[in-house]
Amino acid sequence: AQSVSQHNHHVILSEAASLELGCNYSYGGTVNLFWYVQYPGQHLQLLLKYFSGDPLVKGIKGFEAEFIKSKFSFNLRKPSVQWSDTAEYFCAVKGNNRLAFGKGNQVVVIP
Amino acid sequence: GAGVSQSPSNKVTEKGKDVELRCDPISGHTALYWYRQSLGQGLEFLIYFQGNSAPDKSGLPSDRFSAERTGGSVSTLTIQRTQQEDSAVYLCASSLRTSGRYEQYFGPGTRLTVT
Repeated sequence: AQSVSQHNHHVILSEAASLELGCNYSYGGTVNLFWYVQYPGQHLQLLLKYFSGDPLVKGIKGFEAEFIKSKFSFNLRKPSVQWSDTAEYFCAVKGNNRLAFGKGNQVVVIP
Repeated sequence: GAGVSQSPSNKVTEKGKDVELRCDPISGHTALYWYRQSLGQGLEFLIYFQGNSAPDKSGLPSDRFSAERTGGSVSTLTIQRTQQEDSAVYLCASSLRTSGRYEQYFGPGTRLTVT
């Protein structure tokens, strides 16, 4: 079965700071990787996804993620965060017709 | 277009009662998923449907949990004899297909509180 690890569950940073959230996965099959975001009071939304090809994936709102196969990682980055990026971020790997999620990163951006 | 909808948005029930949670997927999506989000366990997979068929029920936490899908559309998750540990947000998602790279679209969830 697949699994995902996310570190640094709580992240607090100031506007304009850079953000990087780590994600490590475990899955023996074809890798389909996702980052979802949950803004306060809203439902889960897809930020970006990786299926194949270029390991650097660009998503919405200036986010990007890099798939490093040798490290089983899919880290999320944003060069300059805004207050509106305050949210919970979930990394997920798809396998066996389901998503397995990490525990999430609660990110708070201070204006 | 319309996204995934779920009802009710909130449900408070007494321990031992049965509850039904409903999910309306995006039109045309053949795959439907149920997940549970709780403080201690994070996001857990419960069950998925391809059409009206549920090939894998291994994610259901106990035999008090069941789900069905009719007409390849609406799905109902039923929890019998609810327990306090069932308190969580129950999320439904749908996708065009189960396989490969089809992304899942999530609904707003049903917050279940068992008192």
